Amino acid sequence: GESVGLHLPTLSVQEGDNSIINCAYSNSASDYFIWYKQESGKGPQFIIDIRSNMDKRQGQRVTVLLNKTVKHLSLQIAATQPGDSAVYFCADINFGNEKLTFGTGTRLTIIP
Amino acid sequence: DVKVTQSSRYLVKRTGEKVFLECVQDMDHENMFWYRQDPGLGLRLIYFSYDVKMKEKGDIPEGYSVSREKKERFSLILESASTNQTSMYLCASSRQPRTSNQPQHFGDGTRLSIL
Repeated sequence: GESVGLHLPTLSVQEGDNSIINCAYSNSASDYFIWYKQESGKGPQFIIDIRSNMDKRQGQRVTVLLNKTVKHLSLQIAATQPGDSAVYFCADINFGNEKLTFGTGTRLTIIP
Repeated sequence: DVKVTQSSRYLVKRTGEKVFLECVQDMDHENMFWYRQDPGLGLRLIYFSYDVKMKEKGDIPEGYSVSREKKERFSLILESASTNQTSMYLCASSRQPRTSNQPQHFGDGTRLSIL
């Protein structure tokens, strides 16, 4: 992930609609990518991951897309629910240096 | 489910005090990590450990030390607390091997205020 400045990007989505959260990463040698969800007052919670040899992975209501050409990662959440309101951030790791790099996150708000 | 437990949710200490933050995980994970989380800066790695009695510096180790005497416990120590160490501190753990797709699992954080 990369820093996007002092203010979190925000995304507001109507309940039931699909949402797409984007993340740009800077290290072209990154091997593995993770999406986390962080609710207020809680620690980051693992959602879904993807290895660099894949371009798409699906979970329950979530899909992660990886475009290595432009170093872009996205998280799609289908049929959003009020409980999806949280900060979402991506993380990437290069197995050579073994450190996870986190983006600063996007605040998703679900409108009832 | 992985359980990472941080001993305190909120902590208030004074400048110059020695502060201990404790973290325990119950999944027999080899790797443990300490981060701090600040608005606009995201998560920054302070220290990490791949084994008992082993530690490595992260990106911002200055002013901190760590202790890993047992596999399940990883302690973060602020040797002499300063106001710029006011932050949310997050502990995480993950399974070996390092070079594999093993997500880190986080505790719920300790919000530390240094007065």
